[in-house]
Amino acid sequence: DQQVKQNSPSLSVQEGRISILNCDYTNSMFDYFLWYKKYPAEGPTFLISISSIKDKNEDGRFTVFLNKSAKHLSLHIVPSQPGDSAVYFCAANPRNTDKLIFGTGTRLQVFP
Amino acid sequence: DAGITQSPRHKVTETGTPVTLRCHQTENHRYMYWYRQDPGHGLRLIHYSYGVKDTDKGEVSDGYSVSRSKTEDFLLTLESATSSQTSVYFCAIPLPGQGKNGELFFGEGSRLTVL
Repeated sequence: DQQVKQNSPSLSVQEGRISILNCDYTNSMFDYFLWYKKYPAEGPTFLISISSIKDKNEDGRFTVFLNKSAKHLSLHIVPSQPGDSAVYFCAANPRNTDKLIFGTGTRLQVFP
Repeated sequence: DAGITQSPRHKVTETGTPVTLRCHQTENHRYMYWYRQDPGHGLRLIHYSYGVKDTDKGEVSDGYSVSRSKTEDFLLTLESATSSQTSVYFCAIPLPGQGKNGELFFGEGSRLTVL
């Protein structure tokens, strides 16, 4: 049973517009939520995270929102740039474990 | 100074043969992880280590074993490779300077094809 779900396999956005990537989870025992970005033939790179006690965290063009009642988080990229084209994975860190759980990923394409 | 070096980067092998993937870190971190990435599954944890000779299973550990005899090296072994183990394998450590809440630094991956 997938505890962390990314229901959109792909997203296409025009350069300069907002990209919104979504993630749902089923387990209330997650302490932290994270987003990773992955380019082809490279390892994933950490992008941004949010504690379960927060509802928003911002870092430059990237903002993550957490809606605990809906068990939903989203990553907003504003403005989107062609270099943002990559696969984005959301991940959740369960309390008292070291076993990060990843979603299946969303491929973002930013076109000119 | 990559932090993590995975070897080999690419390997093609036949069903039933043993395969060992190596992860070498230069950050002297206690924790090391092995993940596999497959289409439709994202990244899944195979095994992890929290110190020399201290390892634990992840969600997809069947068919894999690991060893950690030195802080800097974490080996993943497929005793008898199967086609279902065709995948890209990533080693990871907690991100230097962070890493307490799941922030990981990943290696570049090892692409394994089992024919």
